Formats: sequence, C-alpha cells, structure tokens
Amino acid sequence: QVQLVESGGGVVQPGRSLRLSCAASGFTFTSYVIHWVRQAPDKGLEWVTFIQKDGGSKFYADSVKGRFTISRDTSKNTLYLQMNSLRAEDTAMYYCAREFDGFDMWGQGTMVTVS
Amino acid sequence: QAGLTQPPSVSMGLRQTATLTCTGNNNNVDFQGAIWLQQHQGHPPKLLSYRSNDRPSGISERFSASRSGNTASLTITGLQSEDEADYYCSSWDRSLNAWVFGGGTKLTVL
Repeated sequence: QVQLVESGGGVVQPGRSLRLSCAASGFTFTSYVIHWVRQAPDKGLEWVTFIQKDGGSKFYADSVKGRFTISRDTSKNTLYLQMNSLRAEDTAMYYCAREFDGFDMWGQGTMVTVS
Repeated sequence: QAGLTQPPSVSMGLRQTATLTCTGNNNNVDFQGAIWLQQHQGHPPKLLSYRSNDRPSGISERFSASRSGNTASLTITGLQSEDEADYYCSSWDRSLNAWVFGGGTKLTVL
C-alpha cells in the first residue's frame, strides 16, 4: 500500500524536544523528495522543511531554522524531524508530504502541542 | 517568509462556477507556477493541480487551473456541495529557497 504514516507527536513543554517520524511504504523512498508541512489549529498550511533525494541539501523555513533538523534512514524508509527548543507557536498538526508534480501524497498527520 | 495571497473566503451557489485566485511574485508563481490543494475539515490536503494547469489522475475535470503572470487561478465549474472546503495554493520561491503557501480560501457552496 502506497502511504506515508507520521508518528511521534504529543504534548511537550516549551523548550523541550520531540522527534517525529514519517514512514513511507509502497514506493521507492529515495526516488522522491518528502517534505514536512504543518498546520496550526484553525490556521493555514505552513511548509517546514525538506531534504533532497540524494540526502544532501536540506531546506528550512525561517521559523524553524536552527531549531529543527530533518534527516532520514533509507534502510527504514523513514524521514525524521528533530524539533528542539519548542515554542507555543510550534503547536500544529505535522504532515509529511511526497513531492511529485506538487505534493501528491500526504500522511494523516501527527499532532504536536507545546504547552 | 512572505506567502502567497488568497482571498479568505468565496461563496457561490450550487451548480455555479467559482474562481479562486492566488497572487505571488516573479520569484514564485511567475517563475514556477503554482499548485492547488483542497482540504476538507479534519483531513489532510489533496493535490488538485500542478504546474499551474495539470491535474493528477482521479481529479475531476470540473477543476481547472491557469496562470497569468504573478497570479494563479483555480476554476471550479458545476459547484457541488462536496466542493465546500479550504483551498490552498503553493509555489517554490527561488529567492527564499522555500516553498510558500497562500493563506487559504474557504469556499462556501450556497
């Protein structure tokens, strides 16, 4: 089954850390760029980060630069988002999304609450 | 990071046509085009169009996208109740080296 499944969300205090996972299945993980996109409660979508297909360059939104780190484990077909120094404004549903002619596949998301 | 500009809400009647707009600049929409996403409450977004005017398989022909300069548009014909959703545009911004989203348009079908 072709899908992305996020996990790792929860409630965390400000200043603490959390690591999210995005498990890919049903497609060749290394052939696609996969992004993290978040959505604060009752707000719009905000792009967070992605890593190039070759695992080289990483790009971050200014709002998370220096605090969040994207990585991946190709042996597990899994993308990670290490979130440090969390703030209340990081509270959001975090989605991973595959990029193929736009964001063509999305996971169901994992909720992060910083409080 | 500066985002794309979308009207917060649009309301149209059943079976009518709605046109949603998305304004960027020459570093994003004019350069790269825009993608459109539909999101129903409580669900992840779904891709409706890419490269400004192509549709993924399975997306109804009632959805069509276009672009003129810095402005991308999504036209939905023959509005149905299930079209009531939030619609987002997005584009790669070459100056920011970032993807940018519009704030979203809430479409109400009357």
